Amino acid sequence: EDQVTQSPEALRLQEGESSSLNCSYTVSGLRGLFWYRQDPGKGPEFLFTLYSAGEEKEKERLKATLTKKESFLHITAPKPEDSATYLCAVQNYGQNFVFGPGTRLSVLP
Amino acid sequence: KAGVTQTPRYLIKTRGQQVTLSCSPISGHRSVSWYQQTPGQGLQFLFEYFSETQRNKGNFPGRFSGRQFSNSRSEMNVSTLELGDSALYLCASRTGYSSTDTQYFGPGTRLTVL
Repeated sequence: EDQVTQSPEALRLQEGESSSLNCSYTVSGLRGLFWYRQDPGKGPEFLFTLYSAGEEKEKERLKATLTKKESFLHITAPKPEDSATYLCAVQNYGQNFVFGPGTRLSVLP
Repeated sequence: KAGVTQTPRYLIKTRGQQVTLSCSPISGHRSVSWYQQTPGQGLQFLFEYFSETQRNKGNFPGRFSGRQFSNSRSEMNVSTLELGDSALYLCASRTGYSSTDTQYFGPGTRLTVL
């Protein structure tokens, strides 16, 4: 059964304190790995798609990387507006999307 | 381009009732998926529709059903509501089905079952 886990469950950072979020997955056949950001009471907002090990993508203070078993979302010099829940999801060859439980990030000013 | 829209945004029902939720995908998107999100279970896949046909189904009871219309708009129905059905129901659309196109989510419908 395909599975996605994320760690830590919650993370509190001071503004400017860089860190990484982890997404570990087991999937029958990986078509893509997706990162989303979700603010309270809203739908997930797309951030990145990664397709193969070694791939990296960047957007502002965020950088996502992918290995054969996990993905990392690196946050450099975060700001309070980066506070949100970050969700990781994988898509398998059966076209199913499986989401992880998310990491709740709080960035304190 | 307008995003995914969902109606209604909030809904309160009582046990035993049924409910219908609506989703309008991004223009040009032909695939619509539905998810249930709860604090305990996270985001769980319900089903996906493409070209008016259900292509994938998650592990939910038959009380949960859906359909898609020729204009790609989709509805989800839950019959005989239970307290545990209280959740945020999210709709996501993508361009096609046989691809790794990104899913874009709507704001969700918050369903409360009393």
